[in-house]
Amino acid sequence: AQSVTQPDIHITVSEGASLELRCNYSYGATPYLFWYVQSPGQGLQLLLKYFSGDTLVQGIKGFEAEFKRSQSSFNLRKPSVHWSDAAEYFCAVGAGTGRRALTFGSGTRLQVQP
Amino acid sequence: NAGVMQNPRHLVRRRGQEARLRCSPMKGHSHVYWYRQLPEEGLKFMVYLQKENIIDESGMPKERFSAEFPKEGPSILRIQQVVRGDSAAYFCASSSPGLVSEQFFGPGTRLTVL
Repeated sequence: AQSVTQPDIHITVSEGASLELRCNYSYGATPYLFWYVQSPGQGLQLLLKYFSGDTLVQGIKGFEAEFKRSQSSFNLRKPSVHWSDAAEYFCAVGAGTGRRALTFGSGTRLQVQP
Repeated sequence: NAGVMQNPRHLVRRRGQEARLRCSPMKGHSHVYWYRQLPEEGLKFMVYLQKENIIDESGMPKERFSAEFPKEGPSILRIQQVVRGDSAAYFCASSSPGLVSEQFFGPGTRLTVL
């Protein structure tokens, strides 16, 4: 069965600093990978996705992620964090029928210090 | 173009009552997904539906839970005889019929069982 691990439950960075959120997945085939962001009390917004092709994908709000098959990883990065980036971030892998059933990690809560 | 709509946003039920959660997908989307988020956890896939068909219900509890997506009207997630453990945020997502398509999430319904 597929699984997603986000090893960092909580991360605090200073505004303007760089950010990397880790994600490791387990899936038997080529994965469909996603990063979503959730603000408190809100739904999820897609930041970026990987289906195939270039392993470095660009997303919204200045985020990017790199798919590394050898490490089963899909880490999210941003070169300079803004206070508005404080939120919870979820990595997900598409599985099941048509790979449409998303399996989510447990999330990483990002705090941004001024 | 309105996004995914869910109602109610908040629902309070007493143990043993029924809960009905509604989801209207984005215009042009014929695929609907339901996920449950327990406090401090990631989202767990419950069910994937197309119009009048359940495609994947591998994440649905075997008893008390059911889902439908009729030809006309919203998708409904129904929980019979609710228990305290059903208290959670329930998110609906929708996608277009394409082979590889992203899911757009609604704001969620927060169910509290007293």
